[in-house]
Amino acid sequence: QKEVEQDPGPLSVPEGAIVSLNCTYSNSAFQYFMWYRQYSRKGPELLMYTYSSGNKEDGRFTAQVDKSSKYISLFIRDSQPSDSATYLCAMKIGANSKLTFGKGITLSVRP
Amino acid sequence: GAGVSQSPSNKVTEKGKDVELRCDPISGHTALYWYRQSLGQGLEFLIYFQGNSAPDKSGLPSDRFSAERTGGSVSTLTIQRTQQEDSAVYLCASSLVGARNRLFNEQFFGPGTRLTVL
Repeated sequence: QKEVEQDPGPLSVPEGAIVSLNCTYSNSAFQYFMWYRQYSRKGPELLMYTYSSGNKEDGRFTAQVDKSSKYISLFIRDSQPSDSATYLCAMKIGANSKLTFGKGITLSVRP
Repeated sequence: GAGVSQSPSNKVTEKGKDVELRCDPISGHTALYWYRQSLGQGLEFLIYFQGNSAPDKSGLPSDRFSAERTGGSVSTLTIQRTQQEDSAVYLCASSLVGARNRLFNEQFFGPGTRLTVL
C-alpha cells in the first residue's frame, strides 16, 4: 500500500460545477498537506497548503484536512475551463522534508 | 524573478547510455530536490540536498542513479547504463529553509526533463 492514495480519475465536469478531490494517507507523521496543480508539460505549482487539521479557503478553492481519518480534500467551486489540469495531493513530515505525492487526478471542465 | 530551470527539456537516449540532467535552482534557495514522474508510479522523491549536509539519497531506485550539487547551487542528476524503465519526467525543485521547524517552505518546481530511453 502506498503512503498516499488518490483516486486516479480522470474526472470530467461541466463549467460551474463543484469539484471534490480527495486523498487518503497512512503515515500519521505527516504534518503538512498540500495540493499542487500541474498543466501539461509543466512542473507542479502549489495551489494550497494546510498545516495539521482544519480548513483553509482561498477564493474558489477550499482545502480540508481530517487527521483523525487521515483524509484530505480539495473543493473547487464554480469550476472554470481554466481549472482543467492534473491535481496532485502531497504531504510532508517536516517543513523541509521531501514531498510524498498521490498519483494525481486529471480534471477536465467542459465549457 | 527567475524560477527553477532544467536542461535539457527533452532527452532521447539509447538503452545502456549514460545521461546527465541539469537543474538550476532559484537563487538563494539552499534546499534542492529531485523527483521523478512516470505514468505508472506518479511523482516520486529521488534525492534531497540541503546546504553542506549529507544528501538524503533514500529515494534513488538503484546505484545507477547519482546526483551532485556543486557550490550549493547547480545540481546534476546522472543515470548510468539507462534502462527503458528509466523513461520518465525528471523534476527538480528548490526551496528556502527556515530557522523555525514549523515554517512552511514551499518547493518551487522546474518544468522537468522528459527522458526517453529507446
